[in-house]
Amino acid sequence: DVKVTQSSRYLVKRTGEKVFLECVQDMDHENMFWYRQDPGLGLRLIYFSYDVKMKEKGDIPEGYSVSREKKERFSLILESASTNQTSMYLCASTHRGSGRESEQYFGPGTRLTVT
Amino acid sequence: AQKVTQAQTEISVVEKEDVTLDCVYETRDTTYYLFWYKQPPSGELVFLIRRNSFDEQNEISGRYSWNFQKSTSSFNFTITASQVVDSAVYFCALSGVNSGTYKYIFGTGTRLKVLA
Repeated sequence: DVKVTQSSRYLVKRTGEKVFLECVQDMDHENMFWYRQDPGLGLRLIYFSYDVKMKEKGDIPEGYSVSREKKERFSLILESASTNQTSMYLCASTHRGSGRESEQYFGPGTRLTVT
Repeated sequence: AQKVTQAQTEISVVEKEDVTLDCVYETRDTTYYLFWYKQPPSGELVFLIRRNSFDEQNEISGRYSWNFQKSTSSFNFTITASQVVDSAVYFCALSGVNSGTYKYIFGTGTRLKVLA
C-alpha cells in the first residue's frame, strides 16, 4: 500500500526556532514536493526535488530550505520560524516515470503553529 | 502562465442532492493533465481522477462523474445523490507537460458540506 508519512501531525514552535519537517515515502518515487496550505489560497509549492540531492524552488521558497540526502526522505527546514509560517504543510511524491501525468500521493500534513 | 480557478469557495447541499464543482484552467501547453483530489477532515489529499488533454471523454465512477471540455477550458466534477461522507474540500489541479518543470498547479479548493 502506497504511503507517505510526515513526522508530526501537530507542531508548536517559538519564533526564531529552527524547525525540521520530515517526510518519508515508501514507493521508490523520484519526485517529492513540499506545499503549504492556507485558507483561501489552496496549495502553494514551496520546493520540490526530482532526485537525491536535487532541488528546485517552487512559488514561495523564501524562508525555507530543503534537504534530500536519501531517495525516500525529503526534509523541509525553517531556518528561523516566524509567525507568518504558521500553516498546514503537506508533503507529496510522484513517480517520475512517463512524466508529469502521475498523480501525487500526499502525506497527512503537519499543522505548524509558530508563536 | 498556468492557472486553475475554482470559483466556488463553499457549497452546502442536503443529502441526496446532486452537486457540481466547477474547475476552469488556463495553460499554453498543448499537452497537459488535469486532476481532482479530495481532502477529508483528516487532512490527507486523496487522488480521484486524472485526465489528459487529448481525451475529452466524460468519465463516470459510481456516483462521481467528470465533464472535460477543452472549448471552455473546464473540468467539472459532479456528485450524484450526495452523501454526508462526501463532505470535504475538493481540489482541481493542472500539470503541463510542455512547461518543462515538475509542477502541479492547484486551485484554491471548494469546500463541500453535505447536510443530513
